Amino acid sequence: EAGVAQSPRYKIIEKRQSVAFWCNPISGHATLYWYQQILGQGPKLLIQFQNNGVVDDSQLPKDRFSAERLKGVDSTLKIQPAKLEDSAVYLCASSSLLANQETQYFGPGTRLLVL
Amino acid sequence: SQQGEEDPQALSIQEGENATMNCSYKTSINNLQWYRQNSGRGLVHLILIRSNEREKHSGRLRVTLDTSKKSSSLLITASRAADTASYFCATDRGFSGGYNKLIFGAGTRLAVHP
Repeated sequence: EAGVAQSPRYKIIEKRQSVAFWCNPISGHATLYWYQQILGQGPKLLIQFQNNGVVDDSQLPKDRFSAERLKGVDSTLKIQPAKLEDSAVYLCASSSLLANQETQYFGPGTRLLVL
Repeated sequence: SQQGEEDPQALSIQEGENATMNCSYKTSINNLQWYRQNSGRGLVHLILIRSNEREKHSGRLRVTLDTSKKSSSLLITASRAADTASYFCATDRGFSGGYNKLIFGAGTRLAVHP
Protein backbone atom coordinates (compact mmCIF):
# COMPACT_ATOMS: atom_id res chain seq x y z
CA GLU A 1 0.00 0.00 0.00
CA ALA A 2 1.12 3.56 -0.63
CA GLY A 3 2.47 5.42 2.38
CA VAL A 4 1.69 8.84 3.76
CA ALA A 5 2.50 11.54 1.22
CA GLN A 6 3.57 15.06 2.09
CA SER A 7 4.49 18.10 0.07
CA PRO A 8 6.52 20.13 -0.30
CA ARG A 9 9.60 18.39 1.12
CA TYR A 10 11.43 21.64 1.78
CA LYS A 11 10.34 25.23 2.17
CA ILE A 12 12.29 28.39 2.91
CA ILE A 13 10.37 31.56 3.75
CA GLU A 14 10.96 34.85 5.49
CA LYS A 15 9.38 35.65 8.82
CA ARG A 16 5.85 37.04 8.65
CA GLN A 17 5.21 35.18 5.39
CA SER A 18 2.61 32.44 5.07
CA VAL A 19 3.18 28.78 4.26
CA ALA A 20 1.00 25.73 3.74
CA PHE A 21 1.76 22.02 3.93
CA TRP A 22 -0.23 19.20 2.41
CA CYS A 23 -0.72 15.61 3.56
CA ASN A 24 -2.40 12.60 1.98
CA PRO A 25 -2.78 9.75 4.50
CA ILE A 26 -2.84 6.04 3.87
CA SER A 27 -6.07 5.06 2.17
CA GLY A 28 -8.74 4.11 4.69
CA HIS A 29 -7.00 5.62 7.71
CA ALA A 30 -9.54 7.64 9.65
CA THR A 31 -7.10 9.35 12.00
CA LEU A 32 -4.61 11.97 10.83
CA TYR A 33 -1.98 13.75 12.90
CA TRP A 34 0.26 16.77 12.39
CA TYR A 35 3.46 16.91 14.43
CA GLN A 36 6.14 19.57 14.78
CA GLN A 37 9.68 18.31 15.28
CA ILE A 38 12.27 20.88 16.25
CA LEU A 39 15.90 19.92 15.66
CA GLY A 40 17.17 17.62 18.40
CA GLN A 41 13.73 17.00 19.88
CA GLY A 42 11.02 14.41 19.52
CA PRO A 43 7.84 15.10 17.54
CA LYS A 44 5.20 17.19 19.30
CA LEU A 45 1.55 16.69 18.37
CA LEU A 46 -0.05 19.83 16.97
CA ILE A 47 -3.46 18.53 15.92
CA GLN A 48 -5.29 15.23 15.54
CA PHE A 49 -8.26 14.60 13.24
CA GLN A 50 -10.81 11.80 13.37
CA ASN A 51 -12.24 11.76 9.85
CA ASN A 52 -12.87 15.49 9.32
CA GLY A 53 -13.37 16.39 12.98
CA VAL A 54 -10.71 17.70 15.37
CA VAL A 55 -10.00 15.38 18.31
CA ASP A 56 -7.12 17.29 19.90
CA ASP A 57 -5.63 20.67 19.05
CA SER A 58 -4.52 21.62 22.53
CA GLN A 59 -0.92 22.29 21.45
CA LEU A 60 -1.71 24.11 18.22
CA PRO A 61 -0.77 27.84 18.39
CA LYS A 62 -4.13 28.93 17.09
CA ASP A 63 -3.16 32.57 16.64
CA ARG A 64 -0.95 31.58 13.71
CA PHE A 65 -1.51 27.91 12.90
CA SER A 66 -4.59 26.42 11.28
CA ALA A 67 -5.40 23.03 9.85
CA GLU A 68 -8.25 21.44 8.04
CA ARG A 69 -9.20 18.04 6.74
CA LEU A 70 -11.98 18.51 4.26
CA LYS A 71 -13.85 15.36 3.25
CA GLY A 72 -11.91 13.38 5.85
CA VAL A 73 -9.00 12.50 3.57
CA ASP A 74 -6.29 15.06 2.66
CA SER A 75 -5.23 17.69 5.14
CA THR A 76 -3.47 21.05 5.01
CA LEU A 77 -1.57 22.81 7.76
CA LYS A 78 -1.04 26.56 7.44
CA ILE A 79 1.16 29.01 9.29
CA GLN A 80 0.34 32.70 9.00
CA PRO A 81 2.42 34.67 9.81
CA ALA A 82 5.53 32.55 10.33
CA LYS A 83 8.04 33.22 13.09
CA LEU A 84 11.69 32.22 13.32
CA GLU A 85 10.85 29.63 15.98
CA ASP A 86 8.56 27.82 13.53
CA SER A 87 11.64 26.42 11.78
CA ALA A 88 11.17 22.67 12.15
CA VAL A 89 10.15 19.52 10.36
CA TYR A 90 6.38 19.11 10.07
CA LEU A 91 5.37 15.49 10.07
CA CYS A 92 2.04 14.06 9.06
CA ALA A 93 0.96 10.62 10.26
CA SER A 94 -2.12 8.47 9.95
CA SER A 95 -3.56 5.46 11.72
CA SER A 96 -6.45 3.06 11.48
CA LEU A 97 -9.45 2.89 13.78
CA LEU A 98 -9.38 -0.89 13.84
CA ALA A 99 -8.89 -2.59 17.18
CA ASN A 100 -5.27 -3.09 18.22
CA GLN A 101 -4.09 -0.87 15.37
CA GLU A 102 -2.43 1.88 17.36
CA THR A 103 0.60 2.14 15.09
CA GLN A 104 1.05 5.50 13.43
CA TYR A 105 2.47 5.69 9.91
CA PHE A 106 4.54 8.77 9.17
CA GLY A 107 5.21 10.68 6.00
CA PRO A 108 8.69 11.96 5.07
CA GLY A 109 7.98 15.39 6.54
CA THR A 110 8.29 18.96 5.32
CA ARG A 111 11.41 20.78 6.45
CA LEU A 112 10.62 24.47 7.04
CA LEU A 113 13.24 27.15 7.45
CA VAL A 114 12.08 30.62 8.47
CA LEU A 115 14.64 33.37 7.88
CA SER B 1 4.95 18.23 27.47
CA GLN B 2 7.21 15.22 27.02
CA GLN B 3 6.13 12.01 28.68
CA GLY B 4 9.09 9.84 27.77
CA GLU B 5 12.75 10.54 28.36
CA GLU B 6 15.36 8.45 26.60
CA ASP B 7 18.73 7.57 27.99
CA PRO B 8 21.40 7.91 26.76
CA GLN B 9 20.97 10.91 24.48
CA ALA B 10 23.66 9.54 22.18
CA LEU B 11 25.29 6.13 21.79
CA SER B 12 28.26 5.14 19.64
CA ILE B 13 29.14 1.46 19.11
CA GLN B 14 30.92 -0.86 16.70
CA GLU B 15 29.15 -3.17 14.29
CA GLY B 16 28.27 -6.46 15.91
CA GLU B 17 27.86 -4.99 19.39
CA ASN B 18 24.53 -4.72 21.17
CA ALA B 19 22.84 -1.36 21.74
CA THR B 20 20.57 -0.68 24.69
CA MET B 21 18.38 2.39 24.98
CA ASN B 22 16.18 3.24 27.94
CA CYS B 23 12.98 5.20 28.27
CA SER B 24 11.31 6.50 31.41
CA TYR B 25 7.85 8.00 31.63
CA LYS B 26 5.69 9.66 34.24
CA THR B 27 2.06 8.53 34.06
CA SER B 28 0.16 5.31 33.47
CA ILE B 29 0.01 4.11 29.87
CA ASN B 30 -1.97 1.82 27.58
CA ASN B 31 1.06 0.95 25.51
CA LEU B 32 4.57 2.09 24.70
CA GLN B 33 5.97 2.22 21.19
CA TRP B 34 9.46 2.55 19.75
CA TYR B 35 10.11 4.37 16.49
CA ARG B 36 13.23 4.84 14.37
CA GLN B 37 14.09 7.95 12.38
CA ASN B 38 16.82 8.01 9.80
CA SER B 39 18.39 11.37 9.07
CA GLY B 40 16.03 13.54 7.06
CA ARG B 41 13.26 10.96 7.00
CA GLY B 42 9.96 10.29 8.71
CA LEU B 43 9.54 7.94 11.64
CA VAL B 44 9.17 4.20 11.21
CA HIS B 45 7.33 2.08 13.77
CA LEU B 46 9.48 -0.67 15.27
CA ILE B 47 7.54 -2.36 18.03
CA LEU B 48 4.61 -1.86 20.41
CA ILE B 49 4.38 -3.29 23.91
CA ARG B 50 1.15 -3.15 25.90
CA SER B 51 0.91 -2.30 29.57
CA ASN B 52 0.14 -5.93 30.48
CA GLU B 53 3.21 -7.26 28.64
CA ARG B 54 6.70 -7.45 30.07
CA GLU B 55 8.83 -8.39 27.08
CA LYS B 56 8.49 -8.53 23.33
CA HIS B 57 10.77 -9.58 20.48
CA SER B 58 10.90 -8.67 16.81
CA GLY B 59 13.88 -9.90 14.83
CA ARG B 60 16.98 -8.36 16.41
CA LEU B 61 14.88 -6.13 18.65
CA ARG B 62 13.93 -6.88 22.23
CA VAL B 63 11.75 -4.53 24.24
CA THR B 64 11.02 -4.75 27.95
CA LEU B 65 8.46 -2.83 29.97
CA ASP B 66 8.42 -2.36 33.74
CA THR B 67 5.24 -0.51 34.66
CA SER B 68 6.16 -0.43 38.35
CA LYS B 69 9.28 1.58 37.49
CA LYS B 70 7.62 3.35 34.55
CA SER B 71 10.48 2.40 32.28
CA SER B 72 11.20 0.52 29.07
CA SER B 73 14.31 -0.60 27.27
CA LEU B 74 15.07 -1.32 23.63
CA LEU B 75 17.86 -3.76 22.85
CA ILE B 76 19.25 -4.09 19.35
CA THR B 77 21.44 -7.17 19.05
CA ALA B 78 24.30 -7.64 16.60
CA SER B 79 24.05 -4.05 15.39
CA ARG B 80 24.75 -3.05 11.79
CA ALA B 81 25.81 0.24 10.24
CA ALA B 82 22.29 0.48 8.80
CA ASP B 83 20.93 0.71 12.37
CA THR B 84 22.43 4.20 12.63
CA ALA B 85 19.43 6.43 13.36
CA SER B 86 17.55 8.20 16.14
CA TYR B 87 15.30 6.03 18.27
CA PHE B 88 12.24 7.42 20.03
CA CYS B 89 9.95 5.95 22.63
CA ALA B 90 6.35 7.12 22.59
CA THR B 91 3.76 6.54 25.26
CA ASP B 92 0.08 6.10 24.55
CA ARG B 93 -2.16 6.94 27.45
CA GLY B 94 -5.32 6.44 25.48
CA PHE B 95 -8.34 8.68 25.54
CA SER B 96 -11.90 8.33 26.62
CA GLY B 97 -13.50 7.50 23.31
CA GLY B 98 -10.61 5.26 22.27
CA TYR B 99 -8.45 7.78 20.46
CA ASN B 100 -4.79 7.19 20.96
CA LYS B 101 -2.36 10.04 21.49
CA LEU B 102 1.38 9.47 21.40
CA ILE B 103 3.80 11.56 23.42
CA PHE B 104 7.38 11.24 22.23
CA GLY B 105 10.64 11.55 24.12
CA ALA B 106 13.65 13.44 22.81
CA GLY B 107 15.25 10.31 21.38
CA THR B 108 18.57 8.47 21.47
CA ARG B 109 20.96 9.04 18.57
CA LEU B 110 22.66 5.76 17.75
CA ALA B 111 25.80 5.61 15.61
CA VAL B 112 27.05 2.18 14.53
CA HIS B 113 30.56 2.22 13.09
CA PRO B 114 31.77 -0.41 10.59
